[in-house]
Amino acid sequence: DVKVTQSSRYLVKRTGEKVFLECVQDMDHENMFWYRQDPGLGLRLIYFSYDVKMKEKGDIPEGYSVSREKKERFSLILESASTNQTSMYLCASSFGLAFRELFFGEGSRLTVL
Amino acid sequence: AQKITQTQPGMFVQEKEAVTLDCTYDTSDPSYGLFWYKQPSSGEMIFLIYQGSYDQQNATEGRYSLNFQKARKSANLVISASQLGDSAMYFCAMRGTTSGTYKYIFGTGTRLKVLA
Repeated sequence: DVKVTQSSRYLVKRTGEKVFLECVQDMDHENMFWYRQDPGLGLRLIYFSYDVKMKEKGDIPEGYSVSREKKERFSLILESASTNQTSMYLCASSFGLAFRELFFGEGSRLTVL
Repeated sequence: AQKITQTQPGMFVQEKEAVTLDCTYDTSDPSYGLFWYKQPSSGEMIFLIYQGSYDQQNATEGRYSLNFQKARKSANLVISASQLGDSAMYFCAMRGTTSGTYKYIFGTGTRLKVLA
């Protein structure tokens, strides 16, 4: 069964802490994405990557960075967490350039106190 | 810029009836793909149906069909014979080509409640 796995379902961090959210996919997908989901705002794209070591800013990259050292792994980094980064974070992957569906992880709910 | 608009924050439907969830989009790309996802209360995102901009026929997958009207830039999801398990959040999404090759953008979602 194909899978996108996010390392933590629930995290509680303090303001100013560095936070790592990890995502691994086993489908050999080229493209990987990080979204945040907030009520009434839908899913907003933070960063995406279409190849190892490649990254592109999405619509709301401020306060975030990403790392993709291996094809199967895409990490989202909050250098200094703030309360307005409390949210649900969804990782997704897709295959190549074709119009193929996104496969999502289960999500990581981050609370910043 | 590309945009997806879902104007119905919430909807109710009686069990066994059909329901239409609205989605309009804006893009200048000549080729694009449109997707619908379901998100139950458990949180996982479930892919439902896909429509390509050059597809001649509306997409169907079981009880789901996509009413694609290209000139009006609308891609409404029709769920036939609603079931209690259809109660969930539904998201419309789009992926373009030239202006956003790899980007999938999402609407704000519609929360559907199926009544027994």
